[in-house]
Amino acid sequence: EVQLLESGGALVQPGGSLRLSCAASGFTFSIFAMTWVRQAPGKGPEWVSSIGSSGSNTYYADSVRGRFTISRDNFKNTLYLEMNTLRVEDTAVYYCANTPTVLPGIIAYYFDYWGQGTLVTVSS
Amino acid sequence: DIQLTQSPSFLSASVGDRVTITCRASQGIRSFLAWYQQKPGKAPKLLIYGASTLQSGVPSRFSGSGSGAEFTLTITSLQPEDFATYYCQQLTSYPCSFGQGTKLEIK
Repeated sequence: EVQLLESGGALVQPGGSLRLSCAASGFTFSIFAMTWVRQAPGKGPEWVSSIGSSGSNTYYADSVRGRFTISRDNFKNTLYLEMNTLRVEDTAVYYCANTPTVLPGIIAYYFDYWGQGTLVTVSS
Repeated sequence: DIQLTQSPSFLSASVGDRVTITCRASQGIRSFLAWYQQKPGKAPKLLIYGASTLQSGVPSRFSGSGSGAEFTLTITSLQPEDFATYYCQQLTSYPCSFGQGTKLEIK
């Protein structure tokens, strides 16, 4: 059974930092891209960042570029999101998601398995 | 950036009805669109990818169609558990984008 388990969410002051983790099991983690998606209260999902299967390629939303860093450890089957200089508008539930592509070699990604989410609250 | 616009934003229907949700992309994305269902307090659940491929375990009353810039999600014979919010999504070029959502409510 595929499982994605996020952790690390917390209440943090503006300007603070957090590191989220996503422990994966039940599938071959190292062959899939992975993604962080967040959802602010009452809003729709918002893509945050994606990383290729090897970790060499990373992509960020403009709203987090330069402040957040995505990484992965394929030996530990774990995805990370380092978040710095946090803002009130970063408050959201953060989900990690497995990211397969419709066709090999084609940029046509979707999210087939999601974790349960971890809540990040940025407030003074 | 590719924008996705869903219509309608709200939909009221009854058990047994057939409903259709539309997602329009600001530029062509071939057939590379996915649909998700989300219930309160839960993560989105993949229903359809590649515009029309049903994810394993998803009931056959859900179907998707379309290509290029216009796509539809159809639910035939609505069941009580289908009342939720639905989102379309594309990642054919970065940044990834989601539609704004369609909330399906019981009439």
